[in-house]
Amino acid sequence: AQKVTQAQTEISVVEKEDVTLDCVYETRDTTYYLFWYKQPPSGELVFLIRRNSFDEQNEISGRYSWNFQKSTSSFNFTITASQVVDSAVYFCALSVSWGGGADGLTFGKGTHLIIQP
Amino acid sequence: DGGITQSPKYLFRKEGQNVTLSCEQNLNHDAMYWYRQDPGQGLRLIYYSQIVNDFQKGDIAEGYSVSREKKESFPLTVTSAQKNPTAFYLCASSMGDRSTDTQYFGPGTRLTVL
Repeated sequence: AQKVTQAQTEISVVEKEDVTLDCVYETRDTTYYLFWYKQPPSGELVFLIRRNSFDEQNEISGRYSWNFQKSTSSFNFTITASQVVDSAVYFCALSVSWGGGADGLTFGKGTHLIIQP
Repeated sequence: DGGITQSPKYLFRKEGQNVTLSCEQNLNHDAMYWYRQDPGQGLRLIYYSQIVNDFQKGDIAEGYSVSREKKESFPLTVTSAQKNPTAFYLCASSMGDRSTDTQYFGPGTRLTVL
């Protein structure tokens, strides 16, 4: 069985601070995929990034960056120079490959990020 | 505009009644999914479908039923057998190709049982 742990239930920072959201995953599969989604107050989940288990390169997209480390089973997400619009719940999720076909995601419980002006 | 629509946005139901939540996508995706979200919790998978006329139970399928008669549509029925149906329900879809698969979500339906 798969498991995703987001130990930080809520984080509150002042605007322009950097903030890192932690994600630790568990799976016995050697092929798997990791995701981050953002859920603003409206409720819809917005896709941010997908990473497969064979690609440990870090990724940067504007103020967002992701650090994938297989050795520690972590896929952490950093927002640089945070803005009020970044306030949302962020979910880390995991999908495994069972020989093909699409299946569901295993989600962490989410981290509620509050950016104070 | 391509996307996923869910209706209604808010739904109220009396105890003992069945209710059906709509999910439609025009992304030409093969796979569709239903998740449930409770306050302070992550999403949990209810059902998923990889192709038309086929679907699989997820982690919490008891008290729910689905159908997949058309590629674009994947309605979810919350039956009276579901003990705690009040929750936020999210529908998602994806291409279904393992190598590139990413799930995209609709705006959700908030169900309240009175």
